[in-house]
Amino acid sequence: GENVEQHPSTLSVQEGDSAVIKCTYSDSASNYFPWYKQELGKRPQLIIDIRSNVGEKKDQRIAVTLNKTAKHFSLHITETQPEDSAVYFCAASMGGNKLVFGAGTILRVKS
Amino acid sequence: EPEVTQTPSHQVTQMGQEVILRCVPISNHLYFYWYRQILGQKVEFLVSFYNNEISEKSEIFDDQFSVERPDGSNFTLKIRSTKLEDSAMYFCASSEWQRGYTFGSGTRLTVV
Repeated sequence: GENVEQHPSTLSVQEGDSAVIKCTYSDSASNYFPWYKQELGKRPQLIIDIRSNVGEKKDQRIAVTLNKTAKHFSLHITETQPEDSAVYFCAASMGGNKLVFGAGTILRVKS
Repeated sequence: EPEVTQTPSHQVTQMGQEVILRCVPISNHLYFYWYRQILGQKVEFLVSFYNNEISEKSEIFDDQFSVERPDGSNFTLKIRSTKLEDSAMYFCASSEWQRGYTFGSGTRLTVV
């Protein structure tokens, strides 16, 4: 089955700097790649997603890139702010069914 | 914005007892899911449900687990005989086909 690896497990950046989180997936049939932000004790919140027919997608300070050949995708957050501090999860899906999640990245933005 | 609602928010139960976790998916969604998250770990898929039947389940979803859509709005997860290792946050989610995937606020299950 699908396996998603996520790196790094923790990431500390200074406010205003950029943060990059990377994920790789194993099943080339996966075609949907969402990113979730989870604050302590809260539900995962979708922040951006990308489908396999697109190489890059941007929404204000957040962007996601996808390399289907290498089977990896990345989340880029620019001009980080303290409120960006949270756990970020990548996920992969094929056929619109279950999501397989990465292990998560704890992002700390220091002011 | 439409929400997936879950009740209760926190459930404490004794080992061996049955629990039912309840979810109301977004009304026009057709796909329903249960996930769990053990404290500090990643979100794990349990089961997906479409057209009134299970479409996929994970190894975690053994005979102690069952799901049901008893009416047009509710979606439930039953754990027949809870174990200590069932303690986790359980998230319900619903979606359209490959879009609108939305998680509920979760039920924290504590088995003592």
